[in-house]
Amino acid sequence: AIQLTQSPSSLSASVGDRVIITCRASQGISSALAWYQQKPGKAPELLIYEASSLESGVPSRFSGSGSGTDFTLTISSLQPEDFATYYCQQFNSYPLTFGGGTKVEIK
Amino acid sequence: EVQLVESGGGLVQPGGSLRLSCAASGFTFSSYWASWVRQAPGRGLEWVANINQDGGEKYYVDSVKGRFTISRDTAKNSLYLQMNSLRAEDTAVYYCARELVWVFGLWGQGTLVSVSS
Repeated sequence: AIQLTQSPSSLSASVGDRVIITCRASQGISSALAWYQQKPGKAPELLIYEASSLESGVPSRFSGSGSGTDFTLTISSLQPEDFATYYCQQFNSYPLTFGGGTKVEIK
Repeated sequence: EVQLVESGGGLVQPGGSLRLSCAASGFTFSSYWASWVRQAPGRGLEWVANINQDGGEKYYVDSVKGRFTISRDTAKNSLYLQMNSLRAEDTAVYYCARELVWVFGLWGQGTLVSVSS
């Protein structure tokens, strides 16, 4: 199974900060990567698919990049509603797998 | 309204069985692949199984193979997960999700399964 390693596992940031989360795959997955946001007690929501395509309705401050084994999710200017846990997911091969998550907390 | 609603969770003893259901509304569920994804308390997300539009293709994570069965009823616009031989480590919130090219674009609110004696 392809393992996804997210870093950091948690971070503290202030409103307006630029935040970068990384996801590294244990083998090349081309651009078969998605990013999700999950708030406490809620289901995850899709942010980015195909590594860099923004899901409809998602604010443009979110962006994704990368291919092969190294990927990033960037929040250009952190907003209060962005404090949440973020997960990457690969869909290059079965079993579909998720990264361990990155919790973004208020500084 | 486009939504997925799970049901069927609860407390079950180790070795027991449970059947989860997921009802779709506002769209034709049978036009999409569908998955079950679970999340143990305080832990990350784990994909469990998925099924194609007509039910002819199914995939499972190794830890549930031979114990869990995914199915769907196109007439009822619904998805199911039959879980047998349940273990403590199966305790989780189970989400159903609509897939588009193996990406989960729509999720239900989840149903909690607790396996304990």
